[in-house]
Amino acid sequence: DQQVKQNSPSLSVQEGRISILNCDYTNSMFDYFLWYKKYPAEGPTFLISISSIKDKNEDGRFTVFLNKSAKHLSLHIVPSQPGDSAVYFCAASPAHGSGNTGKLIFGQGTTLQVKP
Amino acid sequence: NAGVTQTPKFQVLKTGQSMTLQCAQDMNHEYMSWYRQDPGMGLRLIHYSVGAGITDQGEVPNGYNVSRSTTEDFPLRLLSAAPSQTSVYFCASSRRAGGGNQPQHFGDGTRLSIL
Repeated sequence: DQQVKQNSPSLSVQEGRISILNCDYTNSMFDYFLWYKKYPAEGPTFLISISSIKDKNEDGRFTVFLNKSAKHLSLHIVPSQPGDSAVYFCAASPAHGSGNTGKLIFGQGTTLQVKP
Repeated sequence: NAGVTQTPKFQVLKTGQSMTLQCAQDMNHEYMSWYRQDPGMGLRLIHYSVGAGITDQGEVPNGYNVSRSTTEDFPLRLLSAAPSQTSVYFCASSRRAGGGNQPQHFGDGTRLSIL
């Protein structure tokens, strides 16, 4: 079963507008959620994370929102830039000491295209 | 600072052949892991290591072996390659196995095709 899901395979937005990428999860024992960005022929790079005890974390143009009751998180990019065009992966980390230490469970990814 | 280095970048194998994918990190990270990325499935954990001499299985370990004799290196061995192992393989490391507060650094991947 897919514990972390990104239901939108792709998203296209205009430069300067907001990009909203969504992610749903099923396991309430996740304690951290992360977003990674991946360009073609490169490895994923860490973008931003949020602890399960928070509902918002902001870093420059990037903000992640967590809704624990809905088991949903989203990444907002404002304003979007053409260089943001990449594949974005949502990932979840099980609670420390649960036997899953360090493991990341990834969603399928969403390809973002920002048009000039 | 090289970060996480994977070799080779590309490889084509015949069914039944064996090979080793190399991974090295120069950040003195304790935690290292291997993932495979397949279309529509995101990244899936194959094996991981929390330190030299310690390894454990991830989500999809069958057909793969790992060892961790040094902090820096974490090779992934394919014992008898099968077409189902055609994928892009990523190695990652982090300072400790701490989840979200210890983000993992990824190498650029090895694209492997099994004929």
